Amino acid sequence: EVQLVESGGGLVQPGGSLRLSCAASGFTFSSSWMTWVRQAPGKGPEWVANINQDGSEKNYVDSVRGRFTLSRDNAKNSLYLQMNSLRVEDTAVYYCARGQKFWGQGTLVTVSS
Amino acid sequence: EIVLTQSPGTLSLSPGERATLSCRASQSVSSGYLAWYQQRPGQAPRLLIYGASSRATGIPDRFSGSGSGTDFTLTISSLEPEDFAVYYCQQYASSPQTFGQGTKVEVK
Repeated sequence: EVQLVESGGGLVQPGGSLRLSCAASGFTFSSSWMTWVRQAPGKGPEWVANINQDGSEKNYVDSVRGRFTLSRDNAKNSLYLQMNSLRVEDTAVYYCARGQKFWGQGTLVTVSS
Repeated sequence: EIVLTQSPGTLSLSPGERATLSCRASQSVSSGYLAWYQQRPGQAPRLLIYGASSRATGIPDRFSGSGSGTDFTLTISSLEPEDFAVYYCQQYASSPQTFGQGTKVEVK
């Protein structure tokens, strides 16, 4: 059974940093593109970034490029999202996903003073 | 960036009725890389349709997807009580992948 479990969310002040983690199991993580999607309160989902199997290719939405960094550790079956210079508008539930079908339960990031 | 526009914003129907949801893209979605999701309150989006018309595993056959190019449709043939939710389309043909703003299907 595919499982994706996010962690690392919380309350942070504007300008602060957080590192999200996603622990994957039930599939061959090292063979899979992985994605982060976020959803602000009351809004639709927004694709944030994805990374290829060996981490050599990464894509970001314009609003986070230069502030967020995506990485992975295939030995640990884990995906990471380092978020710096956080803004109020980054407040959202952040989901880790594999393809279109498999999503985690999400972790809430709140950016507020 | 491909912009997806969903219509209507809200659909008010009764159980047993047919629902037709539209998703229009600002440019052609290559290879039909268009997905539909259902989202209930407090839950992650659930994949219904991928590749514009292929049902995901475990999705009832009352859900169907159609379309190509820039115009796509999700049809629910006969609404069940659990189908009242918000539906999103997503294109995954090009980066950045994008979602529509959603259609809420509510009980009339």
